[in-house]
Amino acid sequence: DTGVSQNPRHKITKRGQNVTFRCDPISEHNRLYWYRQTLGQGPEFLTYFQNEAQLEKSRLLSDRFSAERPKGSFSTLEIQRTEQGDSAMYLCASSSARLAGSGTQYFGPGTRLLVL
Amino acid sequence: GENVEQHPSTLSVQEGDSAVIKCTYSDSASNYFPWYKQELGKGPQLIIDIRSNVGEKKDQRIAVTLNKTAKHFSLHITETQPEDSAVYFCAASLPSGTYKYIFGTGTRLKVLA
Repeated sequence: DTGVSQNPRHKITKRGQNVTFRCDPISEHNRLYWYRQTLGQGPEFLTYFQNEAQLEKSRLLSDRFSAERPKGSFSTLEIQRTEQGDSAMYLCASSSARLAGSGTQYFGPGTRLLVL
Repeated sequence: GENVEQHPSTLSVQEGDSAVIKCTYSDSASNYFPWYKQELGKGPQLIIDIRSNVGEKKDQRIAVTLNKTAKHFSLHITETQPEDSAVYFCAASLPSGTYKYIFGTGTRLKVLA
């Protein structure tokens, strides 16, 4: 399977705990995005990496959130001291920068987080 | 910043009928407009896209039209089938920066057999 993969697919945690999600993009894609999707809404942009550089962070990404892409391949999204409002689907997408302009983003299956 | 509005929020059609979903964007500089289908518990799957230098694009039963002057674009599905039932999202992207997508709020399509 050469698509975007995300792990875990589901995570249930208690308020105040830390959680970490992983995204493996399509192998030749150097652009990687994280989005958050709450029930009944469209995905909302969280952050963007080009290779290993994190080039943009949304205001939605509070200081409890941190994302990394250490070698320009897989990425991790960590949420510290989780709150019930963090419950959502966290989506990862990747695209190629070989084409000028907007590249098509391919999404992974998402990680559904429930904070109790 | 860019804002995308999507209508209707729900749409029910009889099998074999056509379905139309409309989106309006606010930033006239946006130049790329993908459409995604999302089934329950899954990530969004690209079904068709259009760039601003094209007015219409078709792929079998699916077509997208773009009106740059009015800043709106539409998804057309003909001969709908029960497996078309899902949530559909439109998105818009600017031609510079991070190329992040701004999504609409989604349309839940139900195709009744």
